[in-house]
Amino acid sequence: GAGVSQSPRYKVAKRGQDVALRCDPISGHVSLFWYQQALGQGPEFLTYFQNEAQLDKSGLPSDRFFAERPEGSVSTLKIQRTQQEDSAVYLCASKERRGPSSYEQYFGPGTRLTVT
Amino acid sequence: DAKTTQPPSMDCAEGRAANLPCNHSTISGNEYVYWYRQIHSQGPQYIIHGLKNNETNEMASLIITEDRKSSTLILPHATLRDTAVYYCIVRAGGPGAQKLVFGQGTRLTINP
Repeated sequence: GAGVSQSPRYKVAKRGQDVALRCDPISGHVSLFWYQQALGQGPEFLTYFQNEAQLDKSGLPSDRFFAERPEGSVSTLKIQRTQQEDSAVYLCASKERRGPSSYEQYFGPGTRLTVT
Repeated sequence: DAKTTQPPSMDCAEGRAANLPCNHSTISGNEYVYWYRQIHSQGPQYIIHGLKNNETNEMASLIITEDRKSSTLILPHATLRDTAVYYCIVRAGGPGAQKLVFGQGTRLTINP
């Protein structure tokens, strides 16, 4: 079946622009996560949704970062007034809440954001 | 979540077993050991997890020491496609637990 998809795959933004990154999780997956991965580093947690509820946003680096999942399916990560330090790959992952695969997070290919 | 320590890089010959170590000396009784890998330009991929017993699946084996302070991921017959960064993650709880805390991982290179 279809995996997690993200769009766009690549985004170049001028400093100060707003960007919106989209994540389509696996159908039926209740849990959705966003991670940020800087070059040469491991992914770092940003935020977590269970259905439409954002249960953990402790990893969002500043109030310029905002995530939503209004209908409990597709999620959007928005970054306002982008800065150069926002340049990274943004990964989305989804997970079942229960069942034999509920221990596994399924990751999308990521969106590479470059801020110039 | 407990901190893990992994070597930054390893090499292995194609067809041989790749043994990737991970130290997690501060692991708690309810914390699981998870392994993910990330092939270049892709998102991380789940490999295997365990609590205290050794585990095996179609991808790999996980050996956890009796005191649970370290573990080894074994890829029994490494192929070129196994070249990736391998992350050892220790996390509280089972399937219901949430975020993953990645470290730097081990960059494994499989050589022909």
